[in-house]
Amino acid sequence: EDKVVQSPLSLVVHEGDTVTLNCSYEVTNFRSLLWYKQEKKAPTFLFMLTSSGIEKKSGRLSSILDKKELFSILNITATQTGDSAVYLCAVQDTGNQFYFGTGTSLTVIP
Amino acid sequence: KAGVTQTPRYLIKTRGQQVTLSCSPISGHRSVSWYQQTPGQGLQFLFEYFSETQRNKGNFPGRFSGRQFSNSRSEMNVSTLELGDSALYLCASSLAPAESYEQYFGPGTRLTVT
Repeated sequence: EDKVVQSPLSLVVHEGDTVTLNCSYEVTNFRSLLWYKQEKKAPTFLFMLTSSGIEKKSGRLSSILDKKELFSILNITATQTGDSAVYLCAVQDTGNQFYFGTGTSLTVIP
Repeated sequence: KAGVTQTPRYLIKTRGQQVTLSCSPISGHRSVSWYQQTPGQGLQFLFEYFSETQRNKGNFPGRFSGRQFSNSRSEMNVSTLELGDSALYLCASSLAPAESYEQYFGPGTRLTVT
């Protein structure tokens, strides 16, 4: 059965800390891996990764995919209270099905 | 540019009833996907529509169905509601499945089944 597992389930850090969120997957016919940020509303898109070893960056956020070991990490440097959210990882297969992890809840304390 | 809109935003139904939810994608977007989000199961894919055709469907019973109109607006229907159908139903649109997987989510419809 295809699945996506995220860790840790929740995380509490202080402003300025750097965090690493993990996403491992077992999905047949992998197409892409996506990261979303969900606050008290609908998820917003962060990154889409399709190739191993190529880091994607957007400001203080970056992500990389390892297709051999079947995982991805999302890094957030110099965290701010506005980074507090649930971060969702999803894998899309070649049949365009999406499989979501249960998310990592990040709380950034001032 | 207006974002994805979903109506209604909140809905309360009783077991056995049916419900229809509506989603209007961002102008120019032709792909609409539906998701169910519950605290226990997280976010789960329901189905995707592109050019009025269902491209694929997640692992949900046949009580869940949908359709897409020529203007790309989509509706999702759930018949014979069960308590477990209480969830936030999210719709997401993208330009086209084969070209762009950046999906933009709507605010969701919160369905409560009593």
